[in-house]
Amino acid sequence: EAQVTQNPRYLITVTGKKLTVTCSQNMNHEYMSWYRQDPGLGLRQIYYSMNVEVTDKGDVPEGYKVSRKEKRNFPLILESPSPNQTSLYFCASSLSGRAYEQYFGPGTRLTVT
Amino acid sequence: AQSVTQLDSQVPVFEEAPVELRCNYSSSVSVYLFWYVQYPNQGLQLLLKYLSGSTLVKGINGFEAEFNKSQTSFHLRKPSVHISDTAEYFCAVSGGTGGFKTIFGAGTRLFVKA
Repeated sequence: EAQVTQNPRYLITVTGKKLTVTCSQNMNHEYMSWYRQDPGLGLRQIYYSMNVEVTDKGDVPEGYKVSRKEKRNFPLILESPSPNQTSLYFCASSLSGRAYEQYFGPGTRLTVT
Repeated sequence: AQSVTQLDSQVPVFEEAPVELRCNYSSSVSVYLFWYVQYPNQGLQLLLKYLSGSTLVKGINGFEAEFNKSQTSFHLRKPSVHISDTAEYFCAVSGGTGGFKTIFGAGTRLFVKA
């Protein structure tokens, strides 16, 4: 089954404790992206990747890191989480970005205390 | 910078009534436009998209949208809604001066009442 998977689905952590949210797709998509969803703000793009080793900032990249070492994986790293990063995070992938539909993962709800 | 404005944060409507969810975008060049739906506790899924050509685009579940270049709008419509259409709907834009970025609107929550 074609899908985007994220782990963990739920995470409660404390300020400053490094964490990684994994994202994997099995559709051989070139484009992958991370978004955060906050009430009243919709989805805001954090980072995106157009292919292996090619990443770029979205609209809200501060406090986040990403890497794309393999085509199928695109982990999101929070090196020193803060409470303002409490949010619902979505990973998405598409064939080649821009004109193509994005397929979304189920989301990761992160709480930073 | 490109932007997307969804003009209504919430739209209540009775079952079997028509509905329109409004989306305006700002861009000085051609862009790609999308509508996604998010059912409770789920990720987003594509309803329809406009790339070029015919300005009336048909999507899944009976939804359609009309691209209006002069008004920079991409409104979503359905002639008769069902209870199961209750969800949050997002308009999005990519391409143009934003390149590979995707900009989403703030979302419109559609409530369908019996």
